[in-house]
Amino acid sequence: QSVLTQPPSVSAAPGQKVTISCSGSTSNIGNNYVSWYQQLPGTAPKLLIYENDKRPSGIPDRFSGSKSGTSATLGITGLQTGDEADYYCGTWDSGLSAGVFGGGTKLTVL
Amino acid sequence: QVQLVQSGAEVKKPGSSVTVSCKASGGTVSSYAISWVRQAPGQGLEWMGGIIPMFDTTHYAQNFGGRVTITADESTSTAYMELSSLRSEDTAMYYCARGFCSGTKCYRDTFDIWGQGTMVTVSS
Repeated sequence: QSVLTQPPSVSAAPGQKVTISCSGSTSNIGNNYVSWYQQLPGTAPKLLIYENDKRPSGIPDRFSGSKSGTSATLGITGLQTGDEADYYCGTWDSGLSAGVFGGGTKLTVL
Repeated sequence: QVQLVQSGAEVKKPGSSVTVSCKASGGTVSSYAISWVRQAPGQGLEWMGGIIPMFDTTHYAQNFGGRVTITADESTSTAYMELSSLRSEDTAMYYCARGFCSGTKCYRDTFDIWGQGTMVTVSS
């Protein structure tokens, strides 16, 4: 059971927009920054968003992040078949003094 | 560009220990936090622990019950993760990951460079 809660799957058509939620508590999301990762099949995760809403160099602006209270959201616009992957949120949990991840969300681009 | 190169796949017996290495190629580990993250087959990511070599500080996830030890050798820019008392549930891909830095700000819980992964299989 993951500390952060994500929907197991989401889907949308090419060109459309999708959002992925990540729910936590005051000990994690509520008081720490959230990051998001994309994991393509058979590869290591890739950092998409850090500090809730910032993109590292090289990440297209189709990817966006936001946070409100104890929840965070990843948005992806202009969906492409290449976006099919598992997406994970992550943060620090101050109560556990440990990094924590969501259970992951599988994105299907129909 | 820094790369994290991990040691090769391992097959271990239950009750034994495994050590996985993670060498920073083209850079150093001392100035960054290095974490270990594992992923069981078909499952999600699980943070195991991390080290900040420059400050010689470590943090571990509680659910490993003290079975994880993370160390770093700054002279060789290599981090190590030892997992003891292995059981079948420890069968997983193990990744090392570098803490992301943006300008002068560095994060211990945000990871921009990942190793290629090391598959550890625990089987009798």
